[in-house]
Amino acid sequence: DAKTTQPTSMDCAEGRAANLPCNHSTISGNEYVYWYRQIHSQGPQYIIHGLKNNETNEMASLIITEDRKSSTLILPHATLRDTAVYYCIVRVARGDGGSQGNLIFGKGTKLSVKP
Amino acid sequence: GAVVSQHPSWVICKSGTSVKIECRSLDFQATTMFWYRQFPKQSLMLMATSNEGSKATYEQGVEKDKFLINHASLTLSTLTVTSAHPEDSSFYICSAASTGVYEQYFGPGTRLTVT
Repeated sequence: DAKTTQPTSMDCAEGRAANLPCNHSTISGNEYVYWYRQIHSQGPQYIIHGLKNNETNEMASLIITEDRKSSTLILPHATLRDTAVYYCIVRVARGDGGSQGNLIFGKGTKLSVKP
Repeated sequence: GAVVSQHPSWVICKSGTSVKIECRSLDFQATTMFWYRQFPKQSLMLMATSNEGSKATYEQGVEKDKFLINHASLTLSTLTVTSAHPEDSSFYICSAASTGVYEQYFGPGTRLTVT
């Protein structure tokens, strides 16, 4: 699986959009971009994933560059409860019954949302 | 999203004893379950992958005779830490995935302290 690079930490004001970048310059054509987050002392929580199109769900938006070498996770209106470590992971994921690639966690970005 | 539970949420045991941790998928059938370990201020490290009815596949450096994994049904996997030592103290997290589903769902984690 391709490696990712994320900033170690970021701050965001409550109510503002949090934009978390991720570089994955060696991503392969069949690898998806996944985002998870881990609130202190809890298990990771799935946020969103995408292949090449931008994606949006009730939690966040995922913007993937056209060359797929980087992406940005956007939390549109950050709250204090969004304070967590955010992990960007790329892996093969086949939903056709084929085996899924393992999730390999890097160090992630520690997002602190401040009042 | 799907719910994965772990039991116990925390456990303290004496050195030399064995501890069993359960991971259950509550509302879906998990064809694959994963076990991770996380030391303080570090990222999650994959220990092993198990498919229902098959032997687990362990990551390099993980002792299969020390960390016994059983995935006997589509809703239950267990991790037994045998002859535990203080250095086994860690946060153990399981995740579950189902064929045809792109994301893994994580349990809340089990905090193991070996005294």
